[in-house]
Amino acid sequence: QQPVQSPQAVILREGEDAVINCSSSKALYSVHWYRQKHGEAPVFLMILLKGGEQKGHDKISASFNEKKQQSSLYLTASQLSYSGTYFCGTELVQGAQKLVFGQGTRLTINP
Amino acid sequence: GAVVSQHPSWVICKSGTSVKIECRSLDFQATTMFWYRQFPKQSLMLMATSNEGSKATYEQGVEKDKFLINHASLTLSTLTVTSAHPEDSSFYICSARGVGFNTEAFFGQGTRLTVV
Repeated sequence: QQPVQSPQAVILREGEDAVINCSSSKALYSVHWYRQKHGEAPVFLMILLKGGEQKGHDKISASFNEKKQQSSLYLTASQLSYSGTYFCGTELVQGAQKLVFGQGTRLTINP
Repeated sequence: GAVVSQHPSWVICKSGTSVKIECRSLDFQATTMFWYRQFPKQSLMLMATSNEGSKATYEQGVEKDKFLINHASLTLSTLTVTSAHPEDSSFYICSARGVGFNTEAFFGQGTRLTVV
């Protein structure tokens, strides 16, 4: 039931782009994206609902393809502050509340 | 935005003792809270769903007698790790969803438990 994220780790230079994917074996109602810095709580980035949503915030955007049961997170012109581990959290049905998280993608941005 | 507060931030206990971790929603009522466990460099593994006024729902493989959850009010859930052993050492983190549908999850600061 745990979604699968890829890649497991990415190393970039500042200013480069990255794509993180999240795939589920089950149909999804929503996908959440969070970023976690070492030793800290995860921080919310965005929610995507079924219906083929795309969302963007500054230079971070995401898409959700419900037919393919997958979501992608796009990081454009990465900044040092983008470093951390990114998790997708999936919700199977509306109102289910609980989120099941992928294994995480560790993103390292070097100057 | 909504805030979830978790206490303590870290705790060291001896094997065989019990440890209680508190999770509070500070500015909203949370009928449901979630407890996760995270090992170093690994994912957030859902342990259980804490329901106000009723029994918690545990995920498969999680021992309910070892990880006692109490959700006595709309703003407080507690996780008690009973008879702790070194293998219980981990980062425990709670979360609550905002009121309504399609809301984000707010996370507590997490509790690093070390059992010696």
